[in-house]
Amino acid sequence: EPEVTQTPSHQVTQMGQEVILRCVPISNHLYFYWYRQILGQKVEFLVSFYNNEISEKSEIFDDQFSVERPDGSNFTLKIRSTKLEDSAMYFCATGGNAWADTQYFGPGTRLTVL
Amino acid sequence: AQTVTQSQPEMSVQEAETVTLSCTYDTSENNYYLFWYKQPPSRQMILVIRQEAYKQQNATENRFSVNFQKAAKSFSLKISDSQLGDTAMYFCAFMKGTNAGKSTFGDGTTLTVKP
Repeated sequence: EPEVTQTPSHQVTQMGQEVILRCVPISNHLYFYWYRQILGQKVEFLVSFYNNEISEKSEIFDDQFSVERPDGSNFTLKIRSTKLEDSAMYFCATGGNAWADTQYFGPGTRLTVL
Repeated sequence: AQTVTQSQPEMSVQEAETVTLSCTYDTSENNYYLFWYKQPPSRQMILVIRQEAYKQQNATENRFSVNFQKAAKSFSLKISDSQLGDTAMYFCAFMKGTNAGKSTFGDGTTLTVKP
């Protein structure tokens, strides 16, 4: 069964450093999402992406965050200057042919900012 | 804005018994979707079940079924014949039909299945 993959599984970085989290969607999916989950808290929406542009973003997704799909396969989330409070699990999710399609989540990247 | 409330932070059930997890939501929308996701200790998010608001029939997936009460804005998950592998955090989620796929999650319910 096709699945969403994410790399790395765990990233440790120093405060102020840039990180790029990568996601490989299910091959025929057109809709892409990033969510985050701070340890012990609920899952929070960050951004949705379709047709090479952001469709919606939350208030969490400020100027420090960006997304792109540079090569038509990987879908990346970049955090330019990490803060301690960015420490969380970051989930990529992808959906098929419409916004209403079920979102399939990747295994997550655990980001630790020191 | 939509809100999703899971009023049971923790629940436990004996193996082979049935348990129901509750979820309520608040919306003025008529076109939306509801989901239950399972998050085991590995923290992977696994879709358990999906319900379209326009469907009156409650969704079922093997041992998992929902009780969708649209007027009451309630979406509970029933797990029958509970298994040890069902031990996980369960999240209820709401997605508007026209909102670029943004899903709003509840706080989660930690379910422990006891042998």
